[in-house]
Amino acid sequence: GAGVSQSPSNKVTEKGKDVELRCDPISGHTALYWYRQSLGQGLEFLIYFQGNSAPDKSGLPSDRFSAERTGGSVSTLTIQRTQQEDSAVYLCASSLTVDTQYFGPGTRLTVL
Amino acid sequence: KQEVTQIPAALSVPEGENLVLNCSFTDSAIYNLQWFRQDPGKGLTSLLLIQSSQREQTSGRLNASLDKSSGRSTLYIAASQPGDSATYLCAVRGNTPLVFGKGTRLSVIA
Repeated sequence: GAGVSQSPSNKVTEKGKDVELRCDPISGHTALYWYRQSLGQGLEFLIYFQGNSAPDKSGLPSDRFSAERTGGSVSTLTIQRTQQEDSAVYLCASSLTVDTQYFGPGTRLTVL
Repeated sequence: KQEVTQIPAALSVPEGENLVLNCSFTDSAIYNLQWFRQDPGKGLTSLLLIQSSQREQTSGRLNASLDKSSGRSTLYIAASQPGDSATYLCAVRGNTPLVFGKGTRLSVIA
């Protein structure tokens, strides 16, 4: 079956612009996670959605970052007023159980 | 705050060699530890998951051990092949979602 998909695969933007990154999880997966992987850094947890519960936003680095999950399926990560330090690969994962996360291929964001 | 460290950061070995990747974590209050593989331009693939009550897990040529009390895990790869070339990530799960190390970049030379 289809895995987790993310779009776009690459995004180049100018400093100060807003960007939206999309994640399509595996159908039926109740949990969805966003991570960020900066150059030379490990994966950094950003936000976690579980069913209809309030999301765990504890990893968001600033109020310029936000995410939504509509209808318990597709999620959009929005970064407002992008900065050069936002350049990274943004990975999405979905799961039925918290122990087994399936990762998408990521979106490579470059802020010029 | 949980911190995960992986050593070495990069490793290059000739084909056929056995090798060990190391992972350490600062907070031993974990539910489990996972080893992932990451190929360029692709997402992560889970290789092995060790629950906190377990000591090791094996899958094919891969064996992962866990010493929770000392905060250490190793990933052993037997008879390495060029197709094993990738970045290997260690991640632990405690009360927060996964905390990852920075990875070990492995190159297996034919």
